[in-house]
Amino acid sequence: GAVVSQHPSRVICKSGTSVKIECRSLDFQATTMFWYRQFPKQSLMLMATSNEGSKATYEQGVEKDKFLINHASLTLSTLTVTSAHPEDSSFYICSANTGLEAFFGQGTRLTVV
Amino acid sequence: AQSVTQLDSQVPVFEEAPVELRCNYSSSVSVYLFWYVQYPNQGLQLLLKYLSGSTLVESINGFEAEFNKSQTSFHLRKPSVHISDTAEYFCAVTTNRDDKIIFGKGTRLHILP
Repeated sequence: GAVVSQHPSRVICKSGTSVKIECRSLDFQATTMFWYRQFPKQSLMLMATSNEGSKATYEQGVEKDKFLINHASLTLSTLTVTSAHPEDSSFYICSANTGLEAFFGQGTRLTVV
Repeated sequence: AQSVTQLDSQVPVFEEAPVELRCNYSSSVSVYLFWYVQYPNQGLQLLLKYLSGSTLVESINGFEAEFNKSQTSFHLRKPSVHISDTAEYFCAVTTNRDDKIIFGKGTRLHILP
């Protein structure tokens, strides 16, 4: 089946720095990708919809200036957590749809210290 | 807007016993329904989906779910669970094949030896 690759799988950063997470569709083109955030023992919360060649669509309550999304090509979307703080520590997951199915990346565990 | 309710946050069950994970949805339009499984520190994997046609759908590892429009439910069942089924299970809904997916809060399946 289709594969979505997310990198890095784990990252630890200092408070105040920025972190970039990549999401790639390896064997299909994705005009739309989705970014989710998952807190421990909780469900996935949709943060934003990444649209190739245009601005991302953010869900209510998600700070667009803090979570920068770039979808520069049909196979790559990036999420940059700017000026990260400990409360941004979480599990971030991307997904892309192809045909009738959504495929998810492996997730990125972000720890801000 | 659509929503998904998973009433049970955790379900303990003995190995080789049957299990049912409940899922109810709410939507004013036709829906597509999914069950995803998440193993620790990993992304999500599609378990099974209902798009149209037969209301009973099956996965390759023995799970099945039945779409019940009158009860707005999509419960997941397995007649005999194994220790390897220990995971978090998410019910999800979308109203468009290329649109964002809304997830329930998840049910942790805990297999007892």
